[in-house]
Amino acid sequence: AQSVSQHNHHVILSEAASLELGCNYSYGGTVNLFWYVQYPGQHLQLLLKYFSGDPLVKGIKGFEAEFIKSKFSFNLRKPSVQWSDTAEYFCAVMPYNTDKLIFGTGTRLQVFP
Amino acid sequence: DTAVSQTPKYLVTQMGNDKSIKCEQNLGHDTMYWYKQDSKKFLKIMFSYNNKELIINETVPNRFSPKSPDKAHLNLHINSLELGDSAVYFCASSQMRAGGNEQYFGPGTRLTVT
Repeated sequence: AQSVSQHNHHVILSEAASLELGCNYSYGGTVNLFWYVQYPGQHLQLLLKYFSGDPLVKGIKGFEAEFIKSKFSFNLRKPSVQWSDTAEYFCAVMPYNTDKLIFGTGTRLQVFP
Repeated sequence: DTAVSQTPKYLVTQMGNDKSIKCEQNLGHDTMYWYKQDSKKFLKIMFSYNNKELIINETVPNRFSPKSPDKAHLNLHINSLELGDSAVYFCASSQMRAGGNEQYFGPGTRLTVT
């Protein structure tokens, strides 16, 4: 069965620290990949997406992610986090030619000033 | 200028009741979805509709019935509510295209069944 794993359930950082959140998926075919963010009490917003092309994808608010096909991974990175990045982060996979989003369990990021 | 809107935002009801959640999108998309987010924040797709036609139905109990009067609206009706139905329900929409699409989410409806 298709699944998405986010190994970091809760990450605590100080402002200006670097961030990397892991995401691995299990699916043998072609996929589209997404990172969504959910700020406290708000809806999900798209941070970035990968459909094809350059495996290093840049998103909003200084986030980027790298698709490594051989590792079935799509890790999210940010060189210097801010307090306002405190949120829940979800990795999601969409098997190619479907519109079915399969979410990971989420990573809660807390950034302290 | 809200893209995907849901009503109500909060819904508190008793076991056994029937309730509905409404969703509307003004993005001109042809596909709409319902997702359930449980108490551990896990998000799972329930249904999707494309041009008013049911596309995805993910082993959701028959007590849940989506209805799409037109492609801009997708409502979720729940019969005989149970404690386990307590969750946040998110509506989403997208424009279906070959290869895949980006989904836009509504603000969510927090359902509490007592």
